[in-house]
Amino acid sequence: NAGVTQTPKFRILKIGQSMTLQCAQDMNHNYMYWYRQDPGMGLKLIYYSVGAGITDKGEVPNGYNVSRSTTEDFPLRLELAAPSQTSVYFCASSPWDRDGSFGETQYFGPGTRLLVL
Amino acid sequence: GENVEQHPSTLSVQEGDSAVIKCTYSDSASNYFPWYKQELGKGPQLIIDIRSNVGEKKDQRIAVTLNKTAKHFSLHITETQPEDSAVYFCASRGNQFYFGTGTSLTVIP
Repeated sequence: NAGVTQTPKFRILKIGQSMTLQCAQDMNHNYMYWYRQDPGMGLKLIYYSVGAGITDKGEVPNGYNVSRSTTEDFPLRLELAAPSQTSVYFCASSPWDRDGSFGETQYFGPGTRLLVL
Repeated sequence: GENVEQHPSTLSVQEGDSAVIKCTYSDSASNYFPWYKQELGKGPQLIIDIRSNVGEKKDQRIAVTLNKTAKHFSLHITETQPEDSAVYFCASRGNQFYFGTGTSLTVIP
C-alpha cells in the first residue's frame, strides 16, 4: 500500500493563478480531509468528505473548493491564489469510526508546500 | 468551535528523562483525543490515542492520560531517546478534528 499520496511536493504560484492539489489513498477509507499548516500553528481543517459525492466545509474553507468523485481521490482546488494561502497542505484519510461518528485514526500524506507570490 | 491549547511550545530534555506535553480542550462533546508526531518534512503520524470513556492508555514508552472533568489530556514519554525529537500535536474530535499548535521536543544525547 502506498497509503496517502500527494502531488506536487512543492509549487510556486503567482497571485491570481489557479491550481489543483492532488490527493489519493489506496486504503479504501471513507473519510478524507484537507488541512493547512502555517508556521508555528497546528493544522486547520479546510474541507472533508465522508464518501464519494459528499463534501463539507471545515474550519477555514474560504478560497478553496473540493470534489470527491471516487473513494480514492480528493483534489483541492485553489481558484484565485492569494499570499494568505501560502502554507503547507496535508491530505489525510481515515476509516469509519467504530461507533459511526466522525472519522478516527487519520493517515496523513507527505504534504504539498505552496508559495504564493 | 473547539479550542485546543497545547503547552509547552518547546521542550528540551536529556536522553533518558521523561517528557510531558499537556493539552486542554473546550468542547465537552469531544470524545476522541489522538496524539501525532511530525518529523521534519513529513506528515503527522499517529502515535497514541484515547477515547473519552478511558482515563489512561499506555503503549511501551508512551502514555496518554485524560481528565474529562478538567478537560485536559497529556502525553507522557518515558526514557526519551534522540529519535523522539520531533514536533508533537494533540487533537480533539468533536464535530470535526481540532489540533493544538504543537510542541517541539528535543532530546539531548
